[in-house]
Amino acid sequence: DSGVTQTPKHLITATGQRVTLRCSPRSGDLSVYWYQQSLDQGLQFLIQYYNGEERAKGNILERFSAQQFPDLHSELNLSSLELGDSALYFCASSVEVGRVNTGELFFGEGSRLTVL
Amino acid sequence: GENVEQHPSTLSVQEGDSAVIKCTYSDSASNYFPWYKQELGKGPQLIIDIRSNVGEKKDQRIAVTLNKTAKHFSLHITETQPEDSAVYFCAASLNEKLTFGTGTRLTIIP
Repeated sequence: DSGVTQTPKHLITATGQRVTLRCSPRSGDLSVYWYQQSLDQGLQFLIQYYNGEERAKGNILERFSAQQFPDLHSELNLSSLELGDSALYFCASSVEVGRVNTGELFFGEGSRLTVL
Repeated sequence: GENVEQHPSTLSVQEGDSAVIKCTYSDSASNYFPWYKQELGKGPQLIIDIRSNVGEKKDQRIAVTLNKTAKHFSLHITETQPEDSAVYFCAASLNEKLTFGTGTRLTIIP
């Protein structure tokens, strides 16, 4: 158990809909990362938050947005869903020493999104 | 940005034999190279990492080597066991941003 909690584990929805994925980082971790894993693909970095502020942005679509709340949990919002958005969405958190990332990411078990 | 290529995409080895997975990266400024193992239905988990000031690191049956000049790094698993079956991802870090390879599905044949 990594200590990172993601909900829901599975989600099935229709094209055009909007969903919200939730992540609680490990206790004490200030950074939260979101990754997308499609079939036979690697882990595509979407976005990173540090202590409530956006810190880095990857290949995140404009239809997707995220935020990190004062209690450090994070939500990833996916809207106007398309078939190609079907994927595993992972949240990860990391240890920071000062503001420097020590490197290791702790991943949750993922939220599997199926768009029909 | 950084680009990481990983080979092979699938690998089957007999139990007890060694397995080697190779990755190349594009940006010579990358300075941190972790390897993650993803078991079925789980999130990736760090198994070993290496920083750019080190050429080799070993932890029991697993080892990682780094060639900065050639910009490639490799994961070596010796005396493979059934529980080593999983998907393995390499990654390279530039400015604290991790870029992952596309993964290697390792199957250990009993």
